[in-house]
Amino acid sequence: GAGVSQSPRYKVAKRGQDVALRCDPISGHVSLFWYQQALGQGPEFLTYFQNEAQLDKSGLPSDRFFAERPEGSVSTLKIQRTQQEDSAVYLCASSARREGPSYEQYFGPGTRLTVT
Amino acid sequence: QKEVEQDPGPLSVPEGAIVSLNCTYSNSAFQYFMWYRQYSRKGPELLMYTYSSGNKEDGRFTAQVDKSSKYISLFIRDSQPSDSATYLCAMSGTGGFKTIFGAGTRLFVKA
Repeated sequence: GAGVSQSPRYKVAKRGQDVALRCDPISGHVSLFWYQQALGQGPEFLTYFQNEAQLDKSGLPSDRFFAERPEGSVSTLKIQRTQQEDSAVYLCASSARREGPSYEQYFGPGTRLTVT
Repeated sequence: QKEVEQDPGPLSVPEGAIVSLNCTYSNSAFQYFMWYRQYSRKGPELLMYTYSSGNKEDGRFTAQVDKSSKYISLFIRDSQPSDSATYLCAMSGTGGFKTIFGAGTRLFVKA
């Protein structure tokens, strides 16, 4: 079947604009993660969903960042009033594991956000 | 100090060499240890994972975990140019969902 897909693949936003990034996980995967990857760095955890419930949002850098997964499948990461420091690749990952650590995560290709 | 430290490289080796990639960590609660491979402009791809201490082998890849030293390794035998990528170590505990990644080591295998 299809893997994790993300759209758009590239997004250029002017500082102050709002953006919405979409993630389509693997069908049937209950766990969904968002990560932020800065240039030359590893992915940094942003938030985690189990089905539609957001169980951990401790990694969201500010209240400008908001994520949702209303029907337990597709998820959207929204960034309001974008700043230059928000420029990064935003990765989505899904996992079939329902409980405990999700050590087997499947990643999408990411959305590269550039804020000018 | 970061919870997971990984030398960013780059590491350049000739084809056929044995490659050793390493990470150290500080959080003794980590129980699951993963290695991901990331090609340029792609998302990370899971290579293998290990639970607690010990070794695990999968084809040309061997993962080792030494919890007493808080040190993990990935060995690649008979390296190929197609192995050229960034290798990320990652770790998580048993009680939560958060996975902590290292910064990644860039590997170049020359033909």
